Amino acid sequence: NAGVTQTPKFQVLKTGQSMTLQCAQDMNHEYMSWYRQDPGMGLRLIHYSVGAGITDQGEVPNGYNVSRSTTEDFPLRLLSAAPSQTSVYFCASSYSKGATGELFFGEGSRLTVL
Amino acid sequence: GENVEQHPSTLSVQEGDSAVIKCTYSDSASNYFPWYKQELGKRPQLIIDIRSNVGEKKDQRIAVTLNKTAKHFSLHITETQPEDSAVYFCARGSTLGRLYFGRGTQLTVWP
Repeated sequence: NAGVTQTPKFQVLKTGQSMTLQCAQDMNHEYMSWYRQDPGMGLRLIHYSVGAGITDQGEVPNGYNVSRSTTEDFPLRLLSAAPSQTSVYFCASSYSKGATGELFFGEGSRLTVL
Repeated sequence: GENVEQHPSTLSVQEGDSAVIKCTYSDSASNYFPWYKQELGKRPQLIIDIRSNVGEKKDQRIAVTLNKTAKHFSLHITETQPEDSAVYFCARGSTLGRLYFGRGTQLTVWP
């Protein structure tokens, strides 16, 4: 099993550009989520999904879109990148239907917006 | 995030000493409290978790205590070793679907 796979690992964008961070898991987990990690701020929840076709907002959703068309994939879209979105992004999945089980994290994607 | 306060933000201990990290929360619906360890440049990994129907849980040198009435929980590491040096995050979750993390504690264990 590959676990949770994120691509790309590194990305540099210019302000206003769009991009998609890909996330895939092969553990048949229903629950998937995206976090951003900034120094001194911990991990902040952007969006999450409790199953295919179902998504909901976390605590910092502005500027990000998600979709969940399959159980395996949960892409995160930045429609118009801003310097404030410079961060390390982690995708995570869980066997738990809610936020009550172990999260398995991807390796992270480091995004820089100039 | 979402009212999970974690203290201290940095903690330095001598090898062999104990380390304690505390977290408080305000949402009474929280019923799941995990702790994650993140080594430099790596992804966070679960080290221990506790559910609201349990007051204490131990796994070798690591223990977690939960006081649901007071809405706080703590991580205890005994006989610390240099390889325990990392950032530790507490978190709270519920069946509603959101897992919120504290801001983290940088633990340094000096040999």
